[in-house]
Amino acid sequence: AAGVIQSPRHLIKEKRETATLKCYPIPRHDTVYWYQQGPGQDPQFLISFYEKMQSDKGSIPDRFSAQQFSDYHSELNMSSLELGDSALYFCASSQITAGQRAYEQYFGPGTRLTVT
Amino acid sequence: GEDVEQSLFLSVREGDSSVINCTYTDSSSTYLYWYKQEPGAGLQLLTYIFSNMDMKQDQRLTVLLNKKDKHLSLRIADTQTGDSAIYFCAESPGNTGKLIFGQGTTLQVKP
Repeated sequence: AAGVIQSPRHLIKEKRETATLKCYPIPRHDTVYWYQQGPGQDPQFLISFYEKMQSDKGSIPDRFSAQQFSDYHSELNMSSLELGDSALYFCASSQITAGQRAYEQYFGPGTRLTVT
Repeated sequence: GEDVEQSLFLSVREGDSSVINCTYTDSSSTYLYWYKQEPGAGLQLLTYIFSNMDMKQDQRLTVLLNKKDKHLSLRIADTQTGDSAIYFCAESPGNTGKLIFGQGTTLQVKP
């Protein structure tokens, strides 16, 4: 079965540079979520999109922005990178099941961002 | 508020049962989830339970929910070395879709 695809898998950037992370959801999934997982920590919700509109926002820095495109893929843009941005960034996708409202979120393999 | 608590570490012998516990605070969470994360890998959805259920069984996995005490547990029967991983419980406050995770429980399975 198709899974969530994230690219790149690894990214090394210097302080103050910018980075763009891409996410391709499972086919027919209409919702995308972004999470950040620091070393030894639990994943923290950043932002989500449903049908190309922002649906919820968590602890996402103002330096970060994201969008979902017409083909449902999503991109997380990170500017003025700081050392503390080094983390695993996960994308997850789901399809709201009519009537059940269960958010079965399936996660991608993550992008490991290292800021030096 | 939104807060999910788990014990950090559990060690069992192969073949034993493992029980991982979790407490949550948001009573508006309609679904509660268990995810598994192996080293350097993504999060794998193991199972989830609807808040009006007490128990859900799926092969070797049994989820128990005590809604009154906001306590969730995951039981793994006949634990195998391949079950060694970090297990996260998660709630979805207000059923908005975003997941709030616990700190994760590292399960170590000794042969």
